[in-house]
Amino acid sequence: GAVVSQHPSRVICKSGTSVKIECRSLDFQATTMFWYRQFPKQSLMLMATSNEGSKATYEQGVEKDKFLINHASLTLSTLTVTSAHPEDSSFYICSAGGLWAGGVNEQFFGPGTRLTVL
Amino acid sequence: TQLLEQSPQFLSIQEGENLTVYCNSSSVFSSLQWYRQEPGEGPVLLVTVVTGGEVKKLKRLTFQFGDARKDSSLHITAAQPGDTGLYLCAGPTGTASKLTFGTGTRLQVTL
Repeated sequence: GAVVSQHPSRVICKSGTSVKIECRSLDFQATTMFWYRQFPKQSLMLMATSNEGSKATYEQGVEKDKFLINHASLTLSTLTVTSAHPEDSSFYICSAGGLWAGGVNEQFFGPGTRLTVL
Repeated sequence: TQLLEQSPQFLSIQEGENLTVYCNSSSVFSSLQWYRQEPGEGPVLLVTVVTGGEVKKLKRLTFQFGDARKDSSLHITAAQPGDTGLYLCAGPTGTASKLTFGTGTRLQVTL
């Protein structure tokens, strides 16, 4: 399968600071990337769909000014958590994918970023 | 909104036992996928099922897609500690490239 990387894998920051998380597709060009949030012992919750060269599409209830997404190239999407607060602490996971041959939708996931806001 | 309910939520079994995890919805899906996620890592795709009634095998794992394409099951034979993890089903929703994830089943296999 395709390889997706995330950086950093773990970050600890003070309340009020901003944190940028990078998601890269290493061996294919991804016109669409997705950002998820996962709380402990829970499933993945889609936050937004990141489209190369255009604005991200956010899911209902996700603040677009809080979670800034930039998809500047076919291999890189970034998520910036602005003015982070302790309630933003979570596991953030990106994925890359879309419709593949035969019309089957598959996504390949990064290893995740653990954000802790003090 | 298309929801995917998984059962059981949590399963603790001993090595060598068999188990089945279910993924159910009231909606029809064009395909369903199963992922396994280990703590602190991203989900890893195990299989994609596309055709109603389809059965796929991956070593000791058997995946089935319901005839009506509303449900799927994952059966593990002779579970091993390495099978421990969070199992997630997922299906396309809304625009064709988005995925909705199931509620998850946490499996723990002990010696």
